[in-house]
Amino acid sequence: DQQVKQNSPSLSVQEGRISILNCDYTNSMFDYFLWYKKYPAEGPTFLISISSIKDKNEDGRFTVFLNKSAKHLSLHIVPSQPGDSAVYFCAASEQWGGSEKLVFGKGTKLTVNP
Amino acid sequence: DAGVTQSPTHLIKTRGQHVTLRCSPISGHKSVSWYQQVLGQGPQFIFQYYEKEERGRGNFPDRFSARQFPNYSSELNVNALLLGDSALYLCASSQALPTDTQYFGPGTRLTVL
Repeated sequence: DQQVKQNSPSLSVQEGRISILNCDYTNSMFDYFLWYKKYPAEGPTFLISISSIKDKNEDGRFTVFLNKSAKHLSLHIVPSQPGDSAVYFCAASEQWGGSEKLVFGKGTKLTVNP
Repeated sequence: DAGVTQSPTHLIKTRGQHVTLRCSPISGHKSVSWYQQVLGQGPQFIFQYYEKEERGRGNFPDRFSARQFPNYSSELNVNALLLGDSALYLCASSQALPTDTQYFGPGTRLTVL
């Protein structure tokens, strides 16, 4: 049973427009969320995170929104650039006994067209 | 500063063989986690180590084992390889536990024939 879901396998946007990537989760115990970007043949690169005590976190062109009641988060990229083309993974932090593991969605492939 | 490094980059094994993957964390990071990513899926948690002790284990068979050394580097061992073990194996490091951003290495691509 997938606890973190990214229902859109792919997304295509024009350069300069907004990219919105969505993520849903089922476990209400998750309290910290992260977005990673992954290029082919590379490991995931940390982008931005958000704690459940916030509903928004912004870092340059990247903003993450969290709606706890809906168990939904989204990543906004404004403006989108061709270099943003990559697979984006949503991850939730699950903690227990002083340990932590990340639970990932399947990813959304973003293509930004020039 | 160097990021997380992993070796080898690629390797090919046959069914039944054993493999050892290596990971060096970011300098100053004391925790190492291992993830398996099969094609079309997100990374799946295998192990977490902190200060040389196993702190967490995912839903993987006992054929998978790991350890962390005094310099905080880590090895992931897989015995009796199966075709289904073919995947990208990712190592991530963080400064501390439990809540600290995990930074990933480039991964080791394992192909089992």
